[in-house]
Amino acid sequence: DVKVTQSSRYLVKRTGEKVFLECVQDMDHENMFWYRQDPGLGLRLIYFSYDVKMKEKGDIPEGYSVSREKKERFSLILESASTNQTSMYLCASSRTFGSEKLFFGSGTQLSVL
Amino acid sequence: QKEVEQNSGPLSVPEGAIASLNCTYSDRGSQSFFWYRQYSGKSPELIMFIYSNGDKEDGRFTAQLNKASQYVSLLIRDSQPSDSATYLCAVKRGGADGLTFGKGTHLIIQP
Repeated sequence: DVKVTQSSRYLVKRTGEKVFLECVQDMDHENMFWYRQDPGLGLRLIYFSYDVKMKEKGDIPEGYSVSREKKERFSLILESASTNQTSMYLCASSRTFGSEKLFFGSGTQLSVL
Repeated sequence: QKEVEQNSGPLSVPEGAIASLNCTYSDRGSQSFFWYRQYSGKSPELIMFIYSNGDKEDGRFTAQLNKASQYVSLLIRDSQPSDSATYLCAVKRGGADGLTFGKGTHLIIQP
């Protein structure tokens, strides 16, 4: 089975801190995605990547950046965390371009105080 | 503007009945359509996808697509309490792009 692992289940940070959310997949998937999920707003795409060192903005990239130095790892970076970035962050991967069977990690609940 | 609309519910259906979940989308260029199920406190998991107009059946699940009317639906036959979850409709446009999700419909199957 595909496994998408997110490094932390719960994370508490202070306003202004730089935050790293890590995601690793073990099935050699080409595509990786970062979403955030908020009550009443649903899942929203932040960034995605179709190849190593490649990144594309999603619908809400402001305040975030990403890094994909290795195929299996996709990191989401909050340069200066703010309270409105308190959310559930979900990483996902899929096999090839055009394959939309997303495999999700278990999520990281980030609280910014 | 990419938009995917779903009734948030909750939608309450008696056990054994047919649950009908609906979704509309605004982008006529959308090409692929997906239904994900998300249990409380868990991550979404794919249960159905459909690319062409018409019906697609998989066990107790049937996905229906009408591109002219820009809607996609999911029918769950012989509903079970274990089907109680939030169902997310997702849409992909052509080209390099991620999925756009609706906000989800909360389905409750009453024993």
